[in-house]
Amino acid sequence: KAGVTQTPRYLIKTRGQQVTLSCSPISGHRSVSWYQQTPGQGLQFLFEYFSETQRNKGNFPGRFSGRQFSNSRSEMNVSTLELGDSALYLCASRHGLAGKETQYFGPGTRLLVL
Amino acid sequence: QKEVEQNSGPLSVPEGAIASLNCTYSDRVSQSFFWYRQYSGKSPELIMSIYSNGDKEDGRFTAQLNKASQYVSLLIRDSQPSDSATYLCAVNVGIRSAGGTSYGKLTFGQGTILTVHP
Repeated sequence: KAGVTQTPRYLIKTRGQQVTLSCSPISGHRSVSWYQQTPGQGLQFLFEYFSETQRNKGNFPGRFSGRQFSNSRSEMNVSTLELGDSALYLCASRHGLAGKETQYFGPGTRLLVL
Repeated sequence: QKEVEQNSGPLSVPEGAIASLNCTYSDRVSQSFFWYRQYSGKSPELIMSIYSNGDKEDGRFTAQLNKASQYVSLLIRDSQPSDSATYLCAVNVGIRSAGGTSYGKLTFGQGTILTVHP
């Protein structure tokens, strides 16, 4: 099976712009979670989607949003970019029994905000 | 107190030695526990998952879980230079909402940098 794919892999934006990142989960996986990784804060949970519904959201401002489509592909959007949004954005698809689900990460999108 | 804490690094071991990585977590209702390996510039790669108290072995890797002590560890036997990476401990608590319990959030430790020198 193909793994989790994320596009684009690298992105350079300027402050104030917005960005949309895309994630395609492993075939058959219906759940997607998004994370932000920075050197200072480490890996932090953004939000998760299951069957086109956002199930949970992390402690991030409303500028961060996402959605999931009927084919389980997911997008996340960051509006009004700030310098601090520079990070590696990771998408993970998961499967398994409730409470024993395993998450598999995609290669990530590295965002640089200038 | 941080939700998930890992032993401070970096950790340096000689090739062939046992590397021991430790992690404690604060939420007693945590359900599942994971170790990920992350090479520089790459995304996290799952190494081990463990759900019950005791040991779980997979090749050179052994995960140990003690829920009473809220402690999970990873042992790497016969360490190789290719094991040099950052190791991330992750915990899944499960979040209850009106729609049921969701397990989509992993809480990560800060990571331990392991270097295996020849």
